[in-house]
Amino acid sequence: ENVLTQSPGTLSLSPGERATLSCRASQSISSNYFAWYQQKAGQAPRLLIYGASNRATGIPDRFSGSGSGTDFTLTISRLEPEDFAVYYCRRMWTFGQGTKVEIK
Amino acid sequence: EVQLVESGGGLVKPGGSLRLSCAASGFTFSSYSMNWVRQAPGKGLEWVSSITSTSTYTYYADSVKGRFTISRDNAKNSVYLQMNSLRVDDTAVYYCARGGCSATSCYLDYWGQGTLVTVSS
Repeated sequence: ENVLTQSPGTLSLSPGERATLSCRASQSISSNYFAWYQQKAGQAPRLLIYGASNRATGIPDRFSGSGSGTDFTLTISRLEPEDFAVYYCRRMWTFGQGTKVEIK
Repeated sequence: EVQLVESGGGLVKPGGSLRLSCAASGFTFSSYSMNWVRQAPGKGLEWVSSITSTSTYTYYADSVKGRFTISRDNAKNSVYLQMNSLRVDDTAVYYCARGGCSATSCYLDYWGQGTLVTVSS
């Protein structure tokens, strides 16, 4: 079973700062089915990135994804107030445990 | 506009059953796989089950295998989750999600707002 481990658990940053979120797989995986999701409090998750680096429809270009093999990264270039949320990585049937991006 | 609306959640006793429904609109339902994902209170996301577009294949998380059954009715644009032998740790918000695919990747591209299932005596 492939486990996805996200780090850090919580990221405390100010609006305008850069956020770097990590997702590490316990075994090397294809990036084809790797995705990132955003979930705001009380809302359903929203697809941000698919295929490790492709932005979903309507996602601003401050969000970018990269990585391959076992290490994947979600970068938010400049945090906007609406970006403070929990972010999950996913590959096939497995989700990471989430990273909370909170206002510092 | 793609819409997914879940229903059927509620309070049930351990060992009981519940059937969730997800009504889809705004896309050609019969062309997409569908999924259920759950989230226990204060916890992360857990994939539960998937069904292919023509119901040929179904998949289940180990935690629900043998207890839950996913099905769909393409004529009614709906997907269902029959949940039997419910346990306290099945308590969660259950989301319905569409399985979209590009040329090289598949993902959950649209999600409903979820329906809460509470298993408690």
